Amino acid sequence: SQKIEQNSEALNIQEGKTATLTCNYTNYSPAYLQWYRQDPGRGPVFLLLIRENEKEKRKERLKVTFDTTLKQSLFHITASQPADSATYLCALGTAGYSTLTFGKGTMLLVSP
Amino acid sequence: DGGITQSPKYLFRKEGQNVTLSCEQNLNHDAMYWYRQDPGQGLRLIYYSQIVNDFQKGDIAEGYSVSREKKESFPLTVTSAQKNPTAFYLCASTSDSHYGYTFGSGTRLTVV
Repeated sequence: SQKIEQNSEALNIQEGKTATLTCNYTNYSPAYLQWYRQDPGRGPVFLLLIRENEKEKRKERLKVTFDTTLKQSLFHITASQPADSATYLCALGTAGYSTLTFGKGTMLLVSP
Repeated sequence: DGGITQSPKYLFRKEGQNVTLSCEQNLNHDAMYWYRQDPGQGLRLIYYSQIVNDFQKGDIAEGYSVSREKKESFPLTVTSAQKNPTAFYLCASTSDSHYGYTFGSGTRLTVV
């Protein structure tokens, strides 16, 4: 069956370091992958999209990689700040369908 | 400002009652979605609509109903047939899923 896996354990890092979050998937052929940020009690906020034919995408301090051979996406936040503390969700989309399938998310905690 | 509005933010329902959650968007988006989020779970798709007067079941549609009479509005009814309705409900919209979803701030439904 189709599966999206994100680390269920929270990631704790110090301010200024690079945070790296992982999204693995099985039995999928995604056309694109998206990352969202979710704060407690709020709706997710779209951050980045990367397509299957793209290796890497950047936006300010954010970087996403997409390896369709490894079936994995990595999400990096450089020079992390306490304000980056949140849960980060990855979501996969397939060609021809408008719906996304979401992972359970990984909580990131950045300490001063 | 363009956005997507969910109401109410908190909703309490007695067992056996139907309740309707409101979702309105002024983004001129064609597609709208309802997701359910439970603690430790990813977002699960309940229903979605890509055009007015048309909608499709998602992965967990049983016990729910929707309507899409206007482009701006996509209300969700949680019926008494839904066995475990206590959850955080999220509405989203998009002009094209390649560009990411815009989410509302959610409705937390509790059965008392």
